[in-house]
Amino acid sequence: NAGVTQTPKFQVLKTGQSMTLQCAQDMNHNSMYWYRQDPGMGLRLIYYSASEGTTDKGEVPNGYNVSRLNKREFSLRLESAAPSQTSVYFCASSGFAFSSEQYFGPGTRLTVT
Amino acid sequence: AQTVTQSQPEMSVQEAETVTLSCTYDTSESDYYLFWYKQPPSRQMILVIRQEAYKQQNATENRFSVNFQKAAKSFSLKISDSQLGDAAMYFCAYRSKGGSEKLVFGKGMKLTVNP
Repeated sequence: NAGVTQTPKFQVLKTGQSMTLQCAQDMNHNSMYWYRQDPGMGLRLIYYSASEGTTDKGEVPNGYNVSRLNKREFSLRLESAAPSQTSVYFCASSGFAFSSEQYFGPGTRLTVT
Repeated sequence: AQTVTQSQPEMSVQEAETVTLSCTYDTSESDYYLFWYKQPPSRQMILVIRQEAYKQQNATENRFSVNFQKAAKSFSLKISDSQLGDAAMYFCAYRSKGGSEKLVFGKGMKLTVNP
């Protein structure tokens, strides 16, 4: 039982390049989330998926797209990376019950030069 | 929209002592959840403790306890018998009951534990 896994762990991109961050969970959770963490800003929600086949914008969605490929996988895509997207990205998932906590992946440190 | 405020960006405590981390939040909802997450240097987000707003009893998990003051919209975390492994960033978070289960985080507070 690996919990929430993310790939890659580190990535350096040049401005304008694209990439996809992968996330998978093996806990049969319905909901999945993408956050970004910047110094002094806490974690901010980018996109979330309440169930397979649905996605919704969070607080900071601009410059990102997501795909809920199936119940296990939720990917985050940067179509044209910008230096402002330099951040640590976390994927999380939570179960159906209202009191369920969110389980986080180990994070991806992305640098855009 | 809900907001979460952690007004102290950094704190320090001596090993074996007690420290209290403060958190306030703003909401018009009457039922919700509050959480404290710990983020050590490994970057992993770890749930420390949770509180359901409709429960009057303060949550406790071993050396960690909360002081939940619903009317004041305050949710502080007390760490007793501090250990070196408690050194980390601590985040307070709010979640509405129902809906998408999105978390709203505070900006975090860095806790240093001195030997």
